[in-house]
Amino acid sequence: EPEVTQTPSHQVTQMGQEVILRCVPISNHLYFYWYRQILGQKVEFLVSFYNNEISEKSEIFDDQFSVERPDGSNFTLKIRSTKLEDSAMYFCASSESQGALQETQYFGPGTRLLVL
Amino acid sequence: AQSVSQHNHHVILSEAASLELGCNYSYGGTVNLFWYVQYPGQHLQLLLKYFSGDPLVKGIKGFEAEFIKSKFSFNLRKPSVQWSDTAEYFCAVTSFSGGYNKLIFGAGTRLAVHP
Repeated sequence: EPEVTQTPSHQVTQMGQEVILRCVPISNHLYFYWYRQILGQKVEFLVSFYNNEISEKSEIFDDQFSVERPDGSNFTLKIRSTKLEDSAMYFCASSESQGALQETQYFGPGTRLLVL
Repeated sequence: AQSVSQHNHHVILSEAASLELGCNYSYGGTVNLFWYVQYPGQHLQLLLKYFSGDPLVKGIKGFEAEFIKSKFSFNLRKPSVQWSDTAEYFCAVTSFSGGYNKLIFGAGTRLAVHP
């Protein structure tokens, strides 16, 4: 069964450094998402992406964040200058269709980011 | 704004006990409802979903959930849990606006099943 994959599984970085989290969505999916979960808190929506454009972003997704689909398979989340509060588990998700009410998002295993 | 509440943060059961995890959402319009499960060290997996139709939905591994519109609830049930059900369970609702969807999650319920 096809799965969303994410690399790395763990990332430790120094405050102020740039990090890139990578995701490979399910191959025939067209809609991509990033969510994050700070330890002990809810899973929160960050951004959705379709047709090489951001379709929606949350207030968390400020200028420090960017997303890109650099090729036909990868979907990346970049944090330009990490802050301590960026420490979280970051989940990538993808779905086959959107815009219709009946859509199911499939999640990757997550990247645990620790900012020191 | 939409929100999802899961009432139990930690549940401890013995094997063969019955399980019911509560989930309530706040949204007056059409909703899609989901339960996701995260086994230790693994990714979020879809357990079951409700879009429309029969309010009692059955998912994988013997789980089911009932959508009660009047109560804004979507509780997860399993008649007899197993040790392998130890995991964190997340209720989620789709927020659909402007043609795009995003999932709104509850805080999660951590289930521990003892042999």
